[in-house]
Amino acid sequence: RKEVEQDPGPFNVPEGATVAFNCTYSNSASQSFFWYRQDCRKEPKLLMSVYSSGNEDGRFTAQLNRASQYISLLIRDSKLSDSATYLCVVNIPRGSTLGRLYFGRGTQLTVWP
Amino acid sequence: GAVVSQHPSWVICKSGTSVKIECRSLDFQATTMFWYRQFPKQSLMLMATSNEGSKATYEQGVEKDKFLINHASLTLSTLTVTSAHPEDSSFYICSARRGLTYGEQFFGPGTRLTVL
Repeated sequence: RKEVEQDPGPFNVPEGATVAFNCTYSNSASQSFFWYRQDCRKEPKLLMSVYSSGNEDGRFTAQLNRASQYISLLIRDSKLSDSATYLCVVNIPRGSTLGRLYFGRGTQLTVWP
Repeated sequence: GAVVSQHPSWVICKSGTSVKIECRSLDFQATTMFWYRQFPKQSLMLMATSNEGSKATYEQGVEKDKFLINHASLTLSTLTVTSAHPEDSSFYICSARRGLTYGEQFFGPGTRLTVL
């Protein structure tokens, strides 16, 4: 079973729409949670960390539910520039070390005018 | 913000040659650096974890003698693809973790390797 599961999409939405992405993780030892975005042929860029209390950064809102091992990202008022692949990422400690990141396959978003 | 550079951004080489890729954290000291590989339309695959001054930890299935990693300082790690073959052609991306907590990783811009 994969550590992180995401709906691959694609999601095609008009400008101004609200879109939500979901993600589940399988390892209850997961410690830190993130959303990254990756543009075509580019490196992933950190969008935001995700906290149990939920957090918001402008048009982006992330939620974490540890009990159900579920992470979400909500994008309001979509812009053309939001078109990208959104990666759900968790950090899992390994032994006594800080561990490593595990990536979902990504959800592709296209915002059209 | 945290900036990670990677050099070169792209390289084309002949089969059998070795290629070295550098990864630098420019404005922070990276306790750990990571090397990933990404094939088209696939997710990132972790190759190895590198801590300054110690041997890298390779993921299962990654040949450590083929992908040599050196983490000489808290701001520099290098990946050398030895005796490269066409199947090694890929997008290689490094990342650096800032701090000693379960912090986020910052990615370099990647190196696109094409082996002819």
